[in-house]
Amino acid sequence: AQSVTQPDIHITVSEGASLELRCNYSYGATPYLFWYVQSPGQGLQLLLKYFSGDTLVQGIKGFEAEFKRSQSSFNLRKPSVHWSDAAEYFCAVAHNNNDMRFGAGTRLTVKP
Amino acid sequence: SQTIHQWPATLVQPVGSPLSLECTVEGTSNPNLYWYRQAAGRGLQLLFYSVGIGQISSEVPQNLSASRPQDRQFILSSKKLLLSDSGFYLCAWSGTSRVEQYFGPGTRLTVT
Repeated sequence: AQSVTQPDIHITVSEGASLELRCNYSYGATPYLFWYVQSPGQGLQLLLKYFSGDTLVQGIKGFEAEFKRSQSSFNLRKPSVHWSDAAEYFCAVAHNNNDMRFGAGTRLTVKP
Repeated sequence: SQTIHQWPATLVQPVGSPLSLECTVEGTSNPNLYWYRQAAGRGLQLLFYSVGIGQISSEVPQNLSASRPQDRQFILSSKKLLLSDSGFYLCAWSGTSRVEQYFGPGTRLTVT
């Protein structure tokens, strides 16, 4: 069955520290891959997407993600976290425009 | 640029009452439209999607329904709300030939 797994429910990092949020998927073929961010009480904002080509993709707000086919992973990274990055992060996968599936999310807390 | 609106922002309704949530998109034509529900502390569940006026696909059987009376308008309805209908409802759109989805600000529904 198709699935998206975000192993970490909650992560706490210090401001200025690096960040990596994990995402693994199980699909029959390489899907389209996305990361979204959600601030409390808000909608989701698209951070970045991977369709094909270069496996390291750059997104908004200084985020990047790397697609690793051998590990079925699409981890999100940021070299230096800011307090404003505190939010919920969702990994999503899709094969077409009507079957997007979301992970359960990872809540990021940033310590001052 | 494209904009997506949802209203109301918050809603408190008694069990058994009707529901109507509205979503409109500006700045694009013939979008695909989606309704998601997000329960507290959980990921997103796709409820309905639409590829055109009057065309609705349901992902989860329930007491909710959706309609698309105009190209850029998507409505989520219920005749009689249940306690389990409480949650955060998100509308999203995508371009006809695109996969990434863009989300509205959401509606917080509390059924009492």
